[in-house]
Amino acid sequence: KQEVTQIPAALSVPEGENLVLNCSFTDSAIYNLQWFRQDPGKGLTSLLLIQSSQREQTSGRLNASLDKSSGRSTLYIAASQPGDSATYLCAVGSGGGADGLTFGKGTHLIIQP
Amino acid sequence: ETGVTQSPTHLIKTRGQQVTLRCSSQSGHNTVSWYQQALGQGPQFIFQYYREEENGRGNFPPRFSGLQFPNYSSELNVNALELDDSALYLCASSHRAYNEQFFGPGTRLTVL
Repeated sequence: KQEVTQIPAALSVPEGENLVLNCSFTDSAIYNLQWFRQDPGKGLTSLLLIQSSQREQTSGRLNASLDKSSGRSTLYIAASQPGDSATYLCAVGSGGGADGLTFGKGTHLIIQP
Repeated sequence: ETGVTQSPTHLIKTRGQQVTLRCSSQSGHNTVSWYQQALGQGPQFIFQYYREEENGRGNFPPRFSGLQFPNYSSELNVNALELDDSALYLCASSHRAYNEQFFGPGTRLTVL
């Protein structure tokens, strides 16, 4: 059974800092990996999708990497802003996609102005 | 392009009742997945529908059931509601070939 762990559970940093969020998974036979952002009481916003054959993806100030062999992914946020404050969720897809996504519990990020 | 929409936004039910939640897929998507998110937890996969058939299911009992319609919209039905069913229910749509999932705003269900 796939398990996803996110570290740290919570993080508070001053505006402007670069930061790294970590995600690990137990079964390396994944289909893809997605990073999401969730604002309080809201749905999930897709940030980046990495297919199993890829090593990284970039979108603006965000960069996500994937190392299947070690079961790890990182989300790098450059020049953080108060608007980046949210919960960040890592999710892995298995079974060709039909098994749905397995999520971690998230990292609650606060960017101090 | 219209995103994923869900209705209703909030719902209050009592234990033992039945509930139906609705989801409209993003334009061009043919697969719908449902997730349950308890407070402070990551979403948990309930099931997935493709071509109007369930083609994947998580660890949820049979009282959780669903439908997908020819226009790819979907319903989640929960019978015999229990207090632990109180959660945010999220619908996600995707295209079978690409599998990037896009989520709706969710339905907040409270069971009293």
